[in-house]
Amino acid sequence: DVKVTQSSRYLVKRTGEKVFLECVQDMDHENMFWYRQDPGLGLRLIYFSYDVKMKEKGDIPEGYSVSREKKERFSLILESASTNQTSMYLCASSLATGRQVDYGYTFGSGTRLTVV
Amino acid sequence: QKEVEQNSGPLSVPEGAIASLNCTYSDRGSQSFFWYRQYSGKSPELIMSIYSNGDKEDGRFTAQLNKASQYVSLLIRDSQPSDSATYLCAVANDKIIFGKGTRLHILP
Repeated sequence: DVKVTQSSRYLVKRTGEKVFLECVQDMDHENMFWYRQDPGLGLRLIYFSYDVKMKEKGDIPEGYSVSREKKERFSLILESASTNQTSMYLCASSLATGRQVDYGYTFGSGTRLTVV
Repeated sequence: QKEVEQNSGPLSVPEGAIASLNCTYSDRGSQSFFWYRQYSGKSPELIMSIYSNGDKEDGRFTAQLNKASQYVSLLIRDSQPSDSATYLCAVANDKIIFGKGTRLHILP
């Protein structure tokens, strides 16, 4: 089975800190995604990547950036954490390539981030 | 704006009965359709995918797709307490769009 590993399950950071959320997948998937999930708002796409060094903005990229230096690793960066970024962050990868949507996503276990 | 609509629930179903979860979508060009199960505090898990009109069965789960009506459903037969979760419908054209989910509660 594909495994998507997120480095932290729970994280507490202070306002203004730079925060790194790491995600690693072990099945050589090209497509990787970062979502946040909030009650009543569902899953919202922050950034995604179809290949190494490639990134595209999702629906809510403001306040975030990403890095994909290696195929298996996709990092989400909160440049200056704010309280409204308190959320569950979910990384996902897909067997699909590019804009192909034939395959669903495999999600990591999530990082619950609290910004105080 | 492309949308995926689900009743938020909770949907309460007695143990052993059939649970029926529904989803409608707005994009007629959608090609792929998925159901995810999400337990409280956990991440979504893909349980069904369907790509053509009709039914697709996998164990106790049946996904149904009607592209003309832009309607997807998930049936869970012989519902068990372990089926209690939030079920997310996801619809894909050039990208996957998730519904906000339906909370299902199986009554023992």
